[in-house]
Amino acid sequence: EPEVTQTPSHQVTQMGQEVILRCVPISNHLYFYWYRQILGQKVEFLVSFYNNEISEKSEIFDDQFSVERPDGSNFTLKIRSTKLEDSAMYFCASSEWGPAQPQHFGDGTRLSIL
Amino acid sequence: DAKTTQPNSMESNEEEPVHLPCNHSTISGTDYIHWYRQLPSQGPEYVIHGLTSNVNNRMASLAIAEDRKSSTLILHRATLRDAAVYYCILRDEGNTPLVFGKGTRLSVIA
Repeated sequence: EPEVTQTPSHQVTQMGQEVILRCVPISNHLYFYWYRQILGQKVEFLVSFYNNEISEKSEIFDDQFSVERPDGSNFTLKIRSTKLEDSAMYFCASSEWGPAQPQHFGDGTRLSIL
Repeated sequence: DAKTTQPNSMESNEEEPVHLPCNHSTISGTDYIHWYRQLPSQGPEYVIHGLTSNVNNRMASLAIAEDRKSSTLILHRATLRDAAVYYCILRDEGNTPLVFGKGTRLSVIA
């Protein structure tokens, strides 16, 4: 069964550094998402992406965050200048076009900011 | 998004059926009822979704009340691998983001 893959599984970065999290969505999917989950808390929506542009974003997704689909397969989340509070699990998801289509999630990247 | 209410935790014995309830009294006519689960140290996993009629798939069954103000996720025979947090989420018919609550933490006892 096709799956969403995320790399790296764990990223350790110094505060203030830039970090790029990578995702390969399922190949025929058209909608892409990033979510995060701070340890012990709820899964929170960050941003959705469709047709090469952001379709929706949350208050968390400020100017420090950006997303890109640099080629036909990868979908990336960049945090420009990381803060301690960015430490979390980051999940990528993708879905097909259509009403209320299920989202398929990767296993996440654990981001640790020192 | 309309809100859902779920018990914080539930417990089940292995190989017995489990009924996970969800209340969504303010559901709108175009809201789909989605269930996801999150196993320890993994990303959320889609389980099932429906609009009005009951739904079955290889993982579970979804029973939707006639007035749509509540639903129940049914695991027919719980296994240890089903121990997870189960989320009941309402989504409209667009490809909108998922809004996760705290869900129900299901423990399965051998």
